[in-house]
Amino acid sequence: SQTIHQWPATLVQPVGSPLSLECTVEGTSNPNLYWYRQAAGRGLQLLFYSVGIGQISSEVPQNLSASRPQDRQFILSSKKLLLSDSGFYLCAWRRTSNQPQHFGDGTRLSIL
Amino acid sequence: DAKTTQPNSMESNEEEPVHLPCNHSTISGTDYIHWYRQLPSQGPEYVIHGLTSNVNNRMASLAIAEDRKSSTLILHRATLRDAAVYYCILGGGSNYKLTFGKGTLLTVNP
Repeated sequence: SQTIHQWPATLVQPVGSPLSLECTVEGTSNPNLYWYRQAAGRGLQLLFYSVGIGQISSEVPQNLSASRPQDRQFILSSKKLLLSDSGFYLCAWRRTSNQPQHFGDGTRLSIL
Repeated sequence: DAKTTQPNSMESNEEEPVHLPCNHSTISGTDYIHWYRQLPSQGPEYVIHGLTSNVNNRMASLAIAEDRKSSTLILHRATLRDAAVYYCILGGGSNYKLTFGKGTLLTVNP
């Protein structure tokens, strides 16, 4: 069966510090991968998605970047965090565009 | 992206059926109708999806209108654990994205 791992579960970072959130998927190959952010009390905002290694599509211009160095690894990064980067970050995968997405447990990021 | 319209909130009583509506009048022929739900402090959970025919699984049923411009998620017997935000989303075909709206907040009363 397929599983998705996302870590860390919670993170507290100072403004201006770098960020690296990692997501890995097991039990499938060549998945579509997604990063979402959910601000407190808000809906999910799609940040990035990837259909293959090295292929990244950005949905919202911002202070973040994503990379896919391996087939089942998706990384969300920032060089200098802003207060507005606080939120609940979710990674998701799915096999094809007609299949459901499966989400990780999320990382709750607080910026101080 | 084709959009969906859902009520902001709905209430139900425990062990009663719940019908969550969704309008998607601009749906394209290749769009699947997906439903997810999100419990507080958790990632969204897949519930059900379909294209044209009604669908059933262990969690719920999906009733799709003949013209596909609306659909209804049916929880046959609501439990307190079904209290969540329910999202109706269109996606599929050449569209790799699922765009989440605000969803419907379902409250289940004991």
